[in-house]
Amino acid sequence: GQQVMQIPQYQHVQEGEDFTTYCNSSTTLSNIQWYKQRPGGHPVFLIQLVKSGEVKKQKRLTFQFGEAKKNSSLHITATQTTDVGTYFCAGGFTSGTYKYIFGTGTRLKVLA
Amino acid sequence: GEEVAQTPKHLVRGEGQKAKLYCAPIKGHSYVFWYQQVLKNEFKFLISFQNENVFDETGMPKERFSAKCLPNSPCSLEIQATKLEDSAVYFCASSHFRRAYEQYFGPGTRLTVT
Repeated sequence: GQQVMQIPQYQHVQEGEDFTTYCNSSTTLSNIQWYKQRPGGHPVFLIQLVKSGEVKKQKRLTFQFGEAKKNSSLHITATQTTDVGTYFCAGGFTSGTYKYIFGTGTRLKVLA
Repeated sequence: GEEVAQTPKHLVRGEGQKAKLYCAPIKGHSYVFWYQQVLKNEFKFLISFQNENVFDETGMPKERFSAKCLPNSPCSLEIQATKLEDSAVYFCASSHFRRAYEQYFGPGTRLTVT
């Protein structure tokens, strides 16, 4: 079946260090989304990537979609305590269905 | 409203009892999605609606779960004869038809089955 794996499961970093989470799909994706969920909160949409090799930036966050559209990454430069939370990727397997398979998430803890 | 509203915030049911959860999507949004999150991770897609029509229900365990989105009413997710493994946070999300992929999530309903 369609699966989306995400690594690492947990990451503790010192404030100011960089952070990266990786998302891998067993099959080719139509698109991929990234969400952030703060502790006790709900997921907040960050971005969607659609094109092969696409790179998008949001301030300190850089999102990449692999050339084969089977993997993606989220990189945060110079983490801040406000970056704490769990980052989820969500893979869309068929264009137009709006059904997303969520990855297992990476829980980021930033130590001040 | 500008936020997805979900009620109740918490729900406790004995095993075998019925549970009903409600979701009011953002005004003007055409799509509604239900997800189940267990153990702080493991989001599972359940069902999506386009207005009052089921759009995709491939994630629904149909024998006990049902969902509706009727005009001028909150959407609902109902679980008949709850089981212990149904304990989870149920999130509803909505999106606008022009940016259907950009889902706005509600605060969730925590269901505890004892």
